[in-house]
Amino acid sequence: EAEVAQSPRYKITEKSQAVAFWCDPISGHATLYWYRQILGQGPELLVQFQDESVVDDSQLPKDRFSAERLKGVDSTLKIQPAELGDSAMYLCASSRSGTGSYEQYFGPGTRLTVT
Amino acid sequence: GDSVTQMEGPVTLSEEAFLTINCTYTATGYPSLFWYVQYPGEGLQLLLKATKADDKGSNKGFEATYRKETTSFHLEKGSVQVSDSAVYFCALSKDSNYQLIWGAGTKLIIKP
Repeated sequence: EAEVAQSPRYKITEKSQAVAFWCDPISGHATLYWYRQILGQGPELLVQFQDESVVDDSQLPKDRFSAERLKGVDSTLKIQPAELGDSAMYLCASSRSGTGSYEQYFGPGTRLTVT
Repeated sequence: GDSVTQMEGPVTLSEEAFLTINCTYTATGYPSLFWYVQYPGEGLQLLLKATKADDKGSNKGFEATYRKETTSFHLEKGSVQVSDSAVYFCALSKDSNYQLIWGAGTKLIIKP
C-alpha cells in the first residue's frame, strides 16, 4: 500500500538554527498539505499545494517559514531561524483532489524539538 | 463558519466495553465526514468516512453514521481493546478547496 514518506522522523535543533523537513506524497496525488500539530491539539494547516502551486499559505508564518514543491511531487518545509515555540509535530499529507475525493493520507510526521 | 465539536477527553474504558465518541458539526452544504485515529508518536490514519446523509462508514469494528437531521457523526465500537487506545479526530471537508476542518480530538484510554 502506497504511503506518504517524511524525513527525518525526529529533529533536535537549537534556537536560531535552520531546519528543513522533506515529504514525498503518494504517487499521483496532486494536493500536498503541511500541518503543524502541538501536543494535545488537532492539526493546524500551514500550507496547501496543488501540483507546484501554493493554494493556501494564510497560516504560514512567512517571516521564518517557507515551503516549496518545485516539480509538483516532493516538498520541503523550512524554518529559519527556529524558535522555542516551533517545537511540535510537523505532518505532511496528500490527497487526489479534483475527483470529489477529500480524504487526506498522512505521513508519520517529524517531531521537532527546539532547545 | 464551518466547525466540528467533539466530546472532551480523556475517555477511559475497560477492555470489551462499548465505545461512543460524540461528534457534531456545523456546515453549509453537504460536507463529507471523516474519523481519523492517531496512535502515540505517529501520524494520523484515516479510520472511516461518509460522503452523504445516512451513509455508514465502518472499519476495524468501528462505525459512524452521517446523521444530517442531528448534524452528527458519532463514532462507535461494540467491544474495545487495549490496542484502540489513541486520539480520535472528527473532521469535515470544505467543498471549495479540499481542506478539512478538524475537531479538537478525543483521547481514548482502554484499561485491561
